[in-house]
Amino acid sequence: GAGVSQTPSNKVTEKGKYVELRCDPISGHTALYWYRQSLGQGPEFLIYFQGTGAADDSGLPNDRFFAVRPEGSVSTLKIQRTERGDSAVYLCASSLFQRTSTDTQYFGPGTRLTVL
Amino acid sequence: GENVEQHPSTLSVQEGDSAVIKCTYSDSASNYFPWYKQELGKGPQLIIDIRSNVGEKKDQRIAVTLNKTAKHFSLHITETQPEDSAVYFCAATVPNTGNQFYFGTGTSLTVIP
Repeated sequence: GAGVSQTPSNKVTEKGKYVELRCDPISGHTALYWYRQSLGQGPEFLIYFQGTGAADDSGLPNDRFFAVRPEGSVSTLKIQRTERGDSAVYLCASSLFQRTSTDTQYFGPGTRLTVL
Repeated sequence: GENVEQHPSTLSVQEGDSAVIKCTYSDSASNYFPWYKQELGKGPQLIIDIRSNVGEKKDQRIAVTLNKTAKHFSLHITETQPEDSAVYFCAATVPNTGNQFYFGTGTSLTVIP
């Protein structure tokens, strides 16, 4: 079956511009996560969706970052007024939501964002 | 929040030898510990995981051990092959906190043919 897909694979933009990154989770997975991975580091949590709602957005660094998941499937991460420090690989993951146990998360290939 | 430390940061082994990567965590409530393999330009791929009610789990050449008392867990790869070369990440999660994973900083494993 298809895994998590992310588009675009690479995005180069100029400082101050707006970008949108898209994630298509595994079919049937109700939970969706965004992480950011800087060079040489492990992924860092940004936001978690359960269905259409953001259940935990405590990892978003500031109000320039926003994410939506209007129909409970595809999600878009939006970054306004991009800064050079936003350059990183943005990873999306999805999981089945199981109330009685912690879910395994399956990651997409990521979008490499470069802000010039 | 949870803090996960991982070492070594780099590891080189001869093909056929074993590799061991170790992680520690800070929150005793953590109950799920996955290991991911990340190849260059790709997303992390789950290779094995362990839950807090189990002390050891094995899958062919890969095994993970968990010591809840000491709050550490380790990845063991036996009979290493060149295709095992990649960056490996450990992670931990605390229940009822949104299910976010806290990752270690990664170990770059090189298997020398």
